[in-house]
Amino acid sequence: AQSVTQPDIHITVSEGASLELRCNYSYGATPYLFWYVQSPGQGLQLLLKYFSGDTLVQGIKGFEAEFKRSQSSFNLRKPSVHWSDAAEYFCAVAPPFGNEKLTFGTGTRLTIIP
Amino acid sequence: SAVISQKPSRDICQRGTSLTIQCQVDSQVTMMFWYRQQPGQSLTLIATANQGSEATYESGFVIDKFPISRPNLTFSTLTVSNMSPEDSSIYLCSVSGPDAGTNEQYFGPGTRLTVT
Repeated sequence: AQSVTQPDIHITVSEGASLELRCNYSYGATPYLFWYVQSPGQGLQLLLKYFSGDTLVQGIKGFEAEFKRSQSSFNLRKPSVHWSDAAEYFCAVAPPFGNEKLTFGTGTRLTIIP
Repeated sequence: SAVISQKPSRDICQRGTSLTIQCQVDSQVTMMFWYRQQPGQSLTLIATANQGSEATYESGFVIDKFPISRPNLTFSTLTVSNMSPEDSSIYLCSVSGPDAGTNEQYFGPGTRLTVT
């Protein structure tokens, strides 16, 4: 069974600074990987996804993530954060074939300070 | 991506009662999912709802407690039965993306349930 670890429960970053949120997965092969964002009181919005091919994927809102097979990681990055990026971020994994469920990490809460 | 709505957006219910949550999608989708997000926690899948068949429940969730309907390809309901304070959570529905083979899911805004 697959699993996802987000080691950082809470991260605080200054507005305009760079951001990296960590995600490590456990699965026998290369899974499908996703990052979602949940703003306070909202549902989840898909930021980006990785299925295969180029290991650096671009998403919405200026986010990107890099898949590193050797490290079983899929870290989320943004070069300059905005106050509106304050939210909960979830990494998720699914087996690399269809009609399978997502497994979510425990989430990282991002706080932005002025 | 699909536009998903949920009703109600929030509710406060007394223990022992039941609440039915509706999930409506603006396009036909193959798979619909129901998740629970307990306060300060991640998402836990309750069940997968496919049209024309019984829902598939995850370990720890049973049909008597969380009956699900999926009458067509755009609509599903989740009922939380005989509620207790431990059922206080956000309940989210999601739908499979245009290519079910990618396991991509889109989420509704959630229903915030408080049981007193």
